[in-house]
Amino acid sequence: EVQLVESGGGLVKPGGSLRLSCAASGFTFSSYSMNWVRQAPGKGLEWVSSISSSSSYIYYADSVKGRFTISRDNAKNSLYLQMNSLRAEDTAVYYCAREFSGYGGNWFDPWGQGTLVTVSS
Amino acid sequence: DIQMTQSPSSLSASVGDRVTITCRASQSISIYLNWYQQKPGKAPKLLIYAASSLQSGVPSRFSGSGSGTDFTLTISSLQPEDFATYYCQQSYSTPTTFGPGTKVDIK
Repeated sequence: EVQLVESGGGLVKPGGSLRLSCAASGFTFSSYSMNWVRQAPGKGLEWVSSISSSSSYIYYADSVKGRFTISRDNAKNSLYLQMNSLRAEDTAVYYCAREFSGYGGNWFDPWGQGTLVTVSS
Repeated sequence: DIQMTQSPSSLSASVGDRVTITCRASQSISIYLNWYQQKPGKAPKLLIYAASSLQSGVPSRFSGSGSGTDFTLTISSLQPEDFATYYCQQSYSTPTTFGPGTKVDIK
């Protein structure tokens, strides 16, 4: 069974740091690009960052550029998101998602269950 | 960035109804459009990719159509498990962007 399990969320003060992890299983992790997508409480989905299979290509949303760092360890089947200089507006459930590419673009499937990050003093 | 809009923002429908949700892109995105379903407290689930391709395991009552800037998700006969929020997503250019969502609830 293809599975993604996020961890590392929690309560952090503004300006603080947190590292999220996403453990992958049931597929060849090293063959896929991976993404982080977040959802603020009661709000819609916002793409955060993506990383290609070999880490050659990395992209960030403008809202997190310079503060967040995406990385992966293919030997450990794991995806990470290092979040620094956290702000209240970063409060959200963070999902990791596998990316498929094909005719007609790219799509995310599956998604992990999410981990909640709360930034508050 | 490409802006995505959805209409309606919410709708009330009955079991058995035909439901149509519209997604519009701020510029042409060919068929680079996906649809997701999200239930409360759960992760999004892929329904349709590349505008009209049904994801494996998704019931055939779901269908997608469109190209360019205008797209449609149709549920041919609404079932109790379909009450959820639906999001469109464009993958034509980075950053990928999502629509604001359409909440489908029980009439």
